[in-house]
Amino acid sequence: QKEVEQNSGPLSVPEGAIASLNCTYSDRGSQSFFWYRQYSGKSPELIMSIYSNGDKEDGRFTAQLNKASQYVSLLIRDSQPSDSATYLCAVRGVSGTYKYIFGTGTRLKVLA
Amino acid sequence: DAGITQSPRHKVTETGTPVTLRCHQTENHRYMYWYRQDPGHGLRLIHYSYGVKDTDKGEVSDGYSVSRSKTEDFLLTLESATSSQTSVYFCAISAPTRGDLNEQFFGPGTRLTVL
Repeated sequence: QKEVEQNSGPLSVPEGAIASLNCTYSDRGSQSFFWYRQYSGKSPELIMSIYSNGDKEDGRFTAQLNKASQYVSLLIRDSQPSDSATYLCAVRGVSGTYKYIFGTGTRLKVLA
Repeated sequence: DAGITQSPRHKVTETGTPVTLRCHQTENHRYMYWYRQDPGHGLRLIHYSYGVKDTDKGEVSDGYSVSRSKTEDFLLTLESATSSQTSVYFCAISAPTRGDLNEQFFGPGTRLTVL
């Protein structure tokens, strides 16, 4: 079992819809969780960080964390063609560990 | 912008030659990382550093060495490049933002081709 798992996609959604991206992780001691957006040929860009159970909202993005079920999700409301990218989930281990484990990413396509 | 630069941005080299990639940061962050990114594998940690002269291996460290003689610079060396090391290499730093939340930020990447 991979430490951080994501569906590779592509996930296709129409413009204006909600895109839902999911990520599961295996280390129950994981403390912090991150979502990155990566456009083709570019470096990953941090868009959301979360470390407490529940929801965290920032503009059109909402990150949801459920530590009991070991999953973290990213919702993108009012999806735009410019949101088309690969979204990477990353997990940082227990406190004091400064290694980050990445999923392989989910490719999102927003159709105009 | 986390003040991270990488050089060179693109490099083509031949099998068996040594290659050094440089990562430079301007904000004195303690933690620096080297990743490679390949289709189907995502981002994989090669080495990381937690201070000057303090480094540790990641999951794909074979064939790579690193050095950090100054806080701002983290070098990745391929002693004898192989075609399997053709990849995109990203440098990253970890910065404390809120409380114990340390966020990771990436440099622009280096595309390395080994012929």
